[in-house]
Amino acid sequence: GENVEQHPSTLSVQEGDSAVIKCTYSDSASNYFPWYKQELGKRPQLIIDIRSNVGEKKDQRIAVTLNKTAKHFSLHITETQPEDSAVYFCAARGGSSGTYKYIFGTGTRLKVLA
Amino acid sequence: ETGVTQSPTHLIKTRGQQVTLRCSSQSGHNTVSWYQQALGQGPQFIFQYYREEENGRGNFPPRFSGLQFPNYSSELNVNALELDDSALYLCASSLGLAGTYEQYFGPGTRLTVT
Repeated sequence: GENVEQHPSTLSVQEGDSAVIKCTYSDSASNYFPWYKQELGKRPQLIIDIRSNVGEKKDQRIAVTLNKTAKHFSLHITETQPEDSAVYFCAARGGSSGTYKYIFGTGTRLKVLA
Repeated sequence: ETGVTQSPTHLIKTRGQQVTLRCSSQSGHNTVSWYQQALGQGPQFIFQYYREEENGRGNFPPRFSGLQFPNYSSELNVNALELDDSALYLCASSLGLAGTYEQYFGPGTRLTVT
């Protein structure tokens, strides 16, 4: 079945450094890749997304890259701040079975050390 | 915050009981997806409803069922509750299936089965 692998599971960086989270998906029909930030006890919040016809997208300190051939996409956060500390989830929206369901990765707990 | 709401916020049930969770989608959204998020895990897709019909299902048994109403709000019903059903249940709404892809989560319902 469809699967999304996410690495690393935990990541600690110093404030101001960059953080990179990587995901690999299995369904080659996947065409949309969102990233969510979830703070403790709160709902996942969409922070950036990318569609399969785009290789890179940037929004201020956050960027996402997509390599369709390798079925790999990554989240890049530059100039990290303590408020970036949270759990980040990648997801892939597929359609090969006719249903547009989102498969989530297992999450990365990011700690930004002041 | 998104316009997606869920009720109740918290719920405690006994094994074997039945539960109904509710979700109101964001204005204009006609698609609702339900997810189960166990502690420390990513959201797991349960099923999706589009214009009142189930449009896809994850690996959940038939005792997980749902409904979508003409105003696009939705219910998740779980029968014969098991201890492993304890989790955060999230709904997410989006507009259409092949149109805009962004989905926005509600705050979730924390279900505890004892």
